Amino acid sequence: GAVVSQHPSWVICKSGTSVKIECRSLDFQATTMFWYRQFPKQSLMLMATSNEGSKATYEQGVEKDKFLINHASLTLSTLTVTSAHPEDSSFYICSANLNGFNGYTFGSGTRLTVV
Amino acid sequence: KNQVEQSPQSLIILEGKNCTLQCNYTVSPFSNLRWYKQDTERGPVSLTIMTFSENTKSNGRYTATLDADTKQSSLHITASQLSDSASHICVVSPGGSYIPTFGRGTSLIVHP
Repeated sequence: GAVVSQHPSWVICKSGTSVKIECRSLDFQATTMFWYRQFPKQSLMLMATSNEGSKATYEQGVEKDKFLINHASLTLSTLTVTSAHPEDSSFYICSANLNGFNGYTFGSGTRLTVV
Repeated sequence: KNQVEQSPQSLIILEGKNCTLQCNYTVSPFSNLRWYKQDTERGPVSLTIMTFSENTKSNGRYTATLDADTKQSSLHITASQLSDSASHICVVSPGGSYIPTFGRGTSLIVHP
């Protein structure tokens, strides 16, 4: 149980275009999901907390208009990187909390390359 | 400021050997501590999770320890395998909040 599916696993896009990444909890409902960004050899950096049915909470320094988050259902959160630039190239990972005690389950991640 | 420090930063061992990774944290209050294994360009996979009252927990070849007084944890890997080559990340969650603090991970490389 507690499987999180993230799609796509990798994507290459041109500068100026937008890219959508999906995060689904397959066998449980997640009122809260989390989006992380990870640069090579660095730890995961929390970008935002996605709340079902309400606005996401963004961490300091993360542009909410650039990284649009939608959590329209209890099993799906999406992250859209708008007007992507090469510096947005990174590894993006989502996670969902089955419950606060049991901890987090992570998606398999998405490698975004902006050319 | 909540922090999680891991050591060593990287570790190279021979296949079949044992190793121990360290995690020190200043997260307060404390709810639970988790060890994850993260292969390159993959999502982290949970190895163990420990709460305040637990001192040790095993999961196959992985044994985690926790000293909540000194705020230290260790992950012991026995009989290492080539597939253990990955980043091993310590994650600490404060009580009353679901947002964890991540360590930078220990990069473990197992050579044949």
